[in-house]
Parts: sequence; C-alpha cells; structure tokens
Amino acid sequence: DAGVTQSPTHLIKTRGQQVTLRCSPKSGHDTVSWYQQALGQGPQFIFQYYEEEERQRGNFPDRFSGHQFPNYSSELNVNALLLGDSALYLCASSLTRVAGNTIYFGEGSWLTVV
Amino acid sequence: DAKTTQPNSMESNEEEPVHLPCNHSTISGTDYIHWYRQLPSQGPEYVIHGLTSNVNNRMASLAIAEDRKSSTLILHRATLRDAAVYYCILELPRGNTPLVFGKGTRLSVIA
Repeated sequence: DAGVTQSPTHLIKTRGQQVTLRCSPKSGHDTVSWYQQALGQGPQFIFQYYEEEERQRGNFPDRFSGHQFPNYSSELNVNALLLGDSALYLCASSLTRVAGNTIYFGEGSWLTVV
Repeated sequence: DAKTTQPNSMESNEEEPVHLPCNHSTISGTDYIHWYRQLPSQGPEYVIHGLTSNVNNRMASLAIAEDRKSSTLILHRATLRDAAVYYCILELPRGNTPLVFGKGTRLSVIA
C-alpha cells in the first residue's frame, strides 16, 4: 500500500518564477492538506482540499493556490516566488474525517528560491 | 487554537525509557491529543493519539493526566532511530481540522 507520494523531491527556482508541486494521497484517502515547513520550524498549514474544492485555508497569500483532481491527487502552485518561499512543502492525506483519525504525510518537496 | 508547551530538547541513552512531556493547560474537554515525530529529512510521522485514557501501541505509550492539562509520550526503549523532533498537537473536535504544529522537542539518543 503506497503511502503519500510527492514530486519533485527537490527543486530550485528563481525569484519571480512559478512552481507546481504534486501529491498523490494514500490509497483510500480523499482529503489532501498542504503544509509549509521553514528550516527549524514546525509545519504551517496552507490549505486543504476535499471534493475538489478548497475547504480551509491558513494564513498564506493568494500566490499560493491549489487544485484537487477527481482521483484525489492534488497540486500546490506558488506564483511570483519570493526568497522566503524556500521551504519544505508537505502533503498530508486523510479520510473525510471525524476528529481523532490519523493523518499521513509525504516525504515533502524541498523548494529553494534563488 | 489551543496551544501546547514542550521542552526544546531532550537527551536519552540508547535502550533507556524516554518520557517526553507536553503541557496543554487550555485544552477543551473534547480536544484529541496527538503526537507526531519527524525524523531528519522526512515528513512527520504519526506516533499515537488519545482523548482521556492512556493509550498504547507498538511505537509508544501515551499517558494523559487526569485533568488532561498535560500528557507524556513514553518510548519504552529508545533506539538511535528514535532521534527526531516530537510534536504534541491538540486537535479540535471537528472533522478535517488542520494540525497546528509548535516547535516540538528535539530528542537526541546517545549510543
């Protein structure tokens, strides 16, 4: 049973460019959340997708957008990249859930903006 | 969001038990207590969660204080592979609640 898979694992972008990160949730999971983790910090919630719609959003600007596909996979897009966007981007999947269920994380995509 | 307080770092000898504390004095009666850990260069990994009673699984035990204002994650025999950042997180009692991570406790295990 494949867990959460993310691609690419590492990438380098130039300030002002756009980036797309991809996530396939754990088999059977229908909810995908994205987190940003800066060096030395805990992950910060960006947004969550369920039924192909953004359901919840953290304190991130509109430059961060996403999409969920009918097969539950998801993309995170970041426009007009800033140096401060350099971070580990984590995808997490879960079932449309009641409280207390387990959330599974991928290995993350390391983004460096130069 | 309810907050948790954890020590920044702890150290343990290999094969010794480790008790990782977490204070959550503002916890509500229906918040779940979750523990995740993050090994170097990996995504967070679920460890254990509980509501009121102590919980055990193959990875660890979770001891929850009677007033629920604190909890302790217990690793019964630390191994070098347990060196990680451990996060104690409260989950609001509604579905699809995002996890709110603090800085966690960095556990070092000494051979």
